[in-house]
Amino acid sequence: GDSVTQMEGPVTLSEEAFLTINCTYTATGYPSLFWYVQYPGEGLQLLLKATKADDKGSNKGFEATYRKETTSFHLEKGSVQVSDSAVYFCALPNNNAGNMLTFGGGTRLMVKP
Amino acid sequence: DTAVSQTPKYLVTQMGNDKSIKCEQNLGHDTMYWYKQDSKKFLKIMFSYNNKELIINETVPNRFSPKSPDKAHLNLHINSLELGDSAVYFCASSRQTGVLTEAFFGQGTRLTVV
Repeated sequence: GDSVTQMEGPVTLSEEAFLTINCTYTATGYPSLFWYVQYPGEGLQLLLKATKADDKGSNKGFEATYRKETTSFHLEKGSVQVSDSAVYFCALPNNNAGNMLTFGGGTRLMVKP
Repeated sequence: DTAVSQTPKYLVTQMGNDKSIKCEQNLGHDTMYWYKQDSKKFLKIMFSYNNKELIINETVPNRFSPKSPDKAHLNLHINSLELGDSAVYFCASSRQTGVLTEAFFGQGTRLTVV
């Protein structure tokens, strides 16, 4: 079945450091790919998305490129802020199961001033 | 206006009780979901429901049942609560597009079974 694998956290960075959170997937066909973010005590919010190979999703300084050849969708940000501290989830819809989102295990990011 | 709202936000109850969590969405979406997030933040899909189809994750115990009085609501009923049911439960909704299925999430309900 479809699955998503993320690097385990926590990832601890200093403010203004470069961020990469790896995400790889296994799926039938070429599904849309998503990154969701969960701030402390809140629900999940869509951070960015890509619908086809080579698409680059971007939002709030974060970027991720849909790489069909490596089945990856790594999240990057050039300069993190303390306010970026959260848990990040990579996800894809399972088209064989009502488009339910399958999530990776989540990666906690902690940014220190 | 909150797009997807859940109540209650916190729920503490004893083992063996029956409880419900309510979810409402005002986005006009036709599909709603329930997810369970454990203490390690791992998210597991429980149900997907629209007016045509209920899809149940086969690992979900039959003590859990979704009930949808109308398209905008999907409530979660849990019978005979167990300690292991303690988790944060998230409701979500989406519009079926066939290509892009962006889901909108509620704030979560933290269930603690004692």
